Amino acid sequence: DIQMTQSPSSLSASVGDRVTITCRASQYISRFLTWYQQKPGKAPHLLIYTSSSLQSGIPSRFSGSGSGTDFTLTISSLQPEDFATYFCQQSYSLPWTFGQGTKVEIK
Amino acid sequence: QVQLQQSGPGLVKPSETLSLTCAISGDSVSSTGAAWNWIRQSPSRGLEWLGRTYYRSKWYNDYAVTVKSRMTINPDTSKNQFSLQLNSVSPEDTAVYYCARDDSGGSLESWGQGTLVTVSS
Repeated sequence: DIQMTQSPSSLSASVGDRVTITCRASQYISRFLTWYQQKPGKAPHLLIYTSSSLQSGIPSRFSGSGSGTDFTLTISSLQPEDFATYFCQQSYSLPWTFGQGTKVEIK
Repeated sequence: QVQLQQSGPGLVKPSETLSLTCAISGDSVSSTGAAWNWIRQSPSRGLEWLGRTYYRSKWYNDYAVTVKSRMTINPDTSKNQFSLQLNSVSPEDTAVYYCARDDSGGSLESWGQGTLVTVSS
């Protein structure tokens, strides 16, 4: 199975900050990388697919980049509603696997 | 707008069978442009993909190796839904279970509301 490793596991930031989360795959996954946001008690919500494509309805302050094994999710200006946990997921080969999550907390 | 509505018990006894159903609105379980997945989430295992079913002239299923011997996903075209059965459960199967749709690219763009299933006597 492909292992997905996110860093950091958690971070504290203020409204308006630029936030970057990284995800590393244990082997090559091309651009088959998806980012999700999850709030407590809710299902994950798709933000970005194929590494950098913004899902419909997602604010443009969210962006993604990367290919191969190294990927990045960036929030350009953190908003109050962005405090949540973020997960990456590879869909290059089955089984789909997820990162362990990055919790973004209020500083 | 695809919506997924999960149903099923929240408490299952050890060694028994966990059964959940995911009802689909806004799409068809027989859609040749989608796949229908089950995922679970627990503090110890994180998000774990369990398996999927999809239709491409015939029905296909894929399962995670960790549950393959115990798990069945069945589509029900008459009710436009799909189900999960996990046999011989143990406390390690305690988790929030989600159904989800992907557009065949593996990105899970629609999710059910989640069902907390506790395995306990």
